[in-house]
Amino acid sequence: DGGITQSPKYLFRKEGQNVTLSCEQNLNHDAMYWYRQDPGQGLRLIYYSQIVNDFQKGDIAEGYSVSREKKESFPLTVTSAQKNPTAFYLCASTPHGAGNTGELFFGEGSRLTVL
Amino acid sequence: AQSVTQLDSQVPVFEEAPVELRCNYSSSVSVYLFWYVQYPNQGLQLLLKYLSGSTLVKGINGFEAEFNKSQTSFHLRKPSVHISDTAEYFCAVTLTQGAQKLVFGQGTRLTINP
Repeated sequence: DGGITQSPKYLFRKEGQNVTLSCEQNLNHDAMYWYRQDPGQGLRLIYYSQIVNDFQKGDIAEGYSVSREKKESFPLTVTSAQKNPTAFYLCASTPHGAGNTGELFFGEGSRLTVL
Repeated sequence: AQSVTQLDSQVPVFEEAPVELRCNYSSSVSVYLFWYVQYPNQGLQLLLKYLSGSTLVKGINGFEAEFNKSQTSFHLRKPSVHISDTAEYFCAVTLTQGAQKLVFGQGTRLTINP
């Protein structure tokens, strides 16, 4: 079945360590997104990519990095520079181009806890 | 730029009672509107969307929403809720033209009591 796969679902990290969250999609979507979710704050956009080898910062990009080497994959690295990384991270995708409504398709999320 | 306000952060209701979750948006141009549902520790799932045409939109799980352009609202309703509807609900908006970046409201936590 087509969909978006995020891994790992749960991740624990010590302070000062970088960690990479995986996001893979087989929907043939052009655009991919990373959101961060904290209780009572809704979804905040970290990074997005509309095409391979290109990506843009969202509203809260500091302390995060991404790459888009393949259409199917959009990994997110949470670096040690991110001051408060404990959160639920959601990856999403959407088709790009004429006729696209902006509707997002989401993965199941990854919960990162910094110890 | 467009924005979304969900007027209630939490809504408790009894099982089999009706519910309305309120959403207002702000935009100077035409928009598409969405409602998503999120169950605990899961991603977001599309409930329904308004693109054009009839202002009353029906979605999954018996939910519906009405687009009101004059009041810039897109309230979500269900005539009789079930325990399984306990979840967080997000309203979202995007422009019909130009850069289509979805903007989300803060979410409304719906709690169903037996």
